[in-house]
Amino acid sequence: GEDVEQSLFLSVREGDSSVINCTYTDSSSTYLYWYKQEPGAGLQLLTYIFSNMDMKQDQRLTVLLNKKDKHLSLRIADTQTGDSAIYFCAESSSLGTGGFKTIFGAGTRLFVKA
Amino acid sequence: DARVTQTPRHKVTEMGQEVTMRCQPILGHNTVFWYRQTMMQGLELLAYFRNRAPLDDSGMPKDRFSAEMPDATLATLKIQPSEPRDSAVYFCASAKGDRGKETQYFGPGTRLLVL
Repeated sequence: GEDVEQSLFLSVREGDSSVINCTYTDSSSTYLYWYKQEPGAGLQLLTYIFSNMDMKQDQRLTVLLNKKDKHLSLRIADTQTGDSAIYFCAESSSLGTGGFKTIFGAGTRLFVKA
Repeated sequence: DARVTQTPRHKVTEMGQEVTMRCQPILGHNTVFWYRQTMMQGLELLAYFRNRAPLDDSGMPKDRFSAEMPDATLATLKIQPSEPRDSAVYFCASAKGDRGKETQYFGPGTRLLVL
């Protein structure tokens, strides 16, 4: 079945850039997402990219999509201690019956050292 | 500021007791998801509904878990009887279901501890 994989941990120093990587298997993905989960809270959508795009930038966030390799990355520039959280990659695709499904990765825990 | 609400936020109960968790999706969203999150298993999809109809509950232990949507503003997840291994954070999420762009909006979760 379809799968989304991410590394479990990433540690960076404050001020450095963070790059969180994700690979997925479903070639019919239409949208790919990055969600952020802070301690004690639910997941919040950070950003998303449509599958016909290869890059999207939003302030400190840059999303890169390599559709050929089914690889998605999230770059956080000038990482701050407030960016410490779990980051989930997710992909959604149409089921062809008018419905769609979304699959989440296991999440990457980002630690930012002051 | 529309958001998904969940009650209760915390629940401590004894093994064997019934647990009911409630979720109010964002008004106008036609898709509701129930997830369970643990350190060991991560985020697991338990069930989801579209237009109040259950579409997939394959992630849910059928013998003790049940999920319903009595109306468009309320989704429930019940565990009966509860067991210690059910201890987890249970999230509800809702989505508008807009042509494959399924941005999910998560509630704050119900933290369940079964003793």
